[in-house]
Order: sequence, then structure tokens, then C-alpha cells
Amino acid sequence: QVQLQESGPGLVKPSQTLSLTCTVSGGSISSGSYYWSWIRQPAGKGLEWIGRIYTSGSTNYNPSLKSRVTISVDTSKNQFSLKLSSVTAADTAVYYCATILDWGQGTLVTVSS
Amino acid sequence: DIQMTQSPSSLSASVGDRVTITCQASQDISNYLNWYQQKPGKAPKLLIYDASNLETGVPSRFSGSGSGTDFTFTISSLQPEDIATYYCQQYDNLPITFGPGTKVDIK
Repeated sequence: QVQLQESGPGLVKPSQTLSLTCTVSGGSISSGSYYWSWIRQPAGKGLEWIGRIYTSGSTNYNPSLKSRVTISVDTSKNQFSLKLSSVTAADTAVYYCATILDWGQGTLVTVSS
Repeated sequence: DIQMTQSPSSLSASVGDRVTITCQASQDISNYLNWYQQKPGKAPKLLIYDASNLETGVPSRFSGSGSGTDFTFTISSLQPEDIATYYCQQYDNLPITFGPGTKVDIK
């Protein structure tokens, strides 16, 4: 079991790029066979899977966001990251980094000018 | 995308009651289904994986069953600390998709 912690700006302007980082502790991001995912949840709504990166570096994205999403990993820092470009108010949500078992506490990102 | 539906969307039950939530997939997902519990302001917590396996440390009053397209999640004796929203999640096909959730509270 690992611990995950999201970090990044809580406010992003429309049309800009949302950037978040997930720091993994209690284990190496490059060991084992894990998918490291990003999931988001607008206030009062359900969960939406954004995408994931495997320990090998291969990625999968939700087709609904694929044109705007990049997930990357920095094994030297034991972190993986999310970039979501051209954001609008519809991207306002709590963003979680997660494995199937372990989730971060979530971070609220608001898109507003 | 595989669509996941859950019923009911919300329920109220008394402490000690048996609570059942159903989840249906729009196509066969074998047993590639997880159940999560989410309390207000908290991240989801995995309770059941692969449709019927209890995650380590999760109380045995929680259980899951089903395969293919139809799944059931049961709380055998509802406790006050079980007040939460419960989500099913399929991971048979990408994109991973979640059900809309079932909100459980105490009557």
C-alpha cells in the first residue's frame, strides 16, 4: 500500500493548461505492476476516469479528453503528472490520483478568470 | 464506452437492515468490477474487487456478487458508519467507467 498526494494550482484560467502532480510515498513508482491513474469528480457529481500511466510509461486516456490530456511519470522524483489543456469551467472538479486500491485525498481545481 | 447503471440512486434504511445495490453493465465485463465507498469530502475507498473479493481490512458485512452484466453489492447489517455513496466501476474495457453512485443514509 502506498500513499499518494496531489499538488498543483487550485485556480486555473479558462483556455490555460491545468497541471497537477502526484507524489507517491511508501513505495517506488517504478516497481511492481501498477497503473497510476487520474480521476476527477465535479462537485456533487460522479467519478470520471481521465487516464493512466503504467510503470513502463505506456499511457491510456479517456477518449472524451484524449486530445487535451497528457500523463507522464518522473521516476527520479517518484511522481506522475497530469496536464489538461484548453480548460473550461466544465473542467472544474476535485482531481484524484490513484491506483485501484490507493487514492490521494484529492485536490480541487477551479477554472475561472 | 461501457455504460454502468446503478439502482437505486439513493436509499434510506435503518441500522441493522440488509441493504442491496445493483449495478448493470451495458455489455459483458466478466468479473472486472470493483465497488467503492465514498464518504463526504473523502476519496473513494475500495471495498470489493473482482466483483466478489473483499479487500483486506474491510468488514465482512460488505459483500459483492455477480458476473457478466449484472452485479450486486450487499451490506448485511447497516451500520451508522456506512453512510456514504457507493460506486461500481468496470475495468474490463477502456475507458474505465463508474456507475452514477448510490447514496445510502440512515432512516
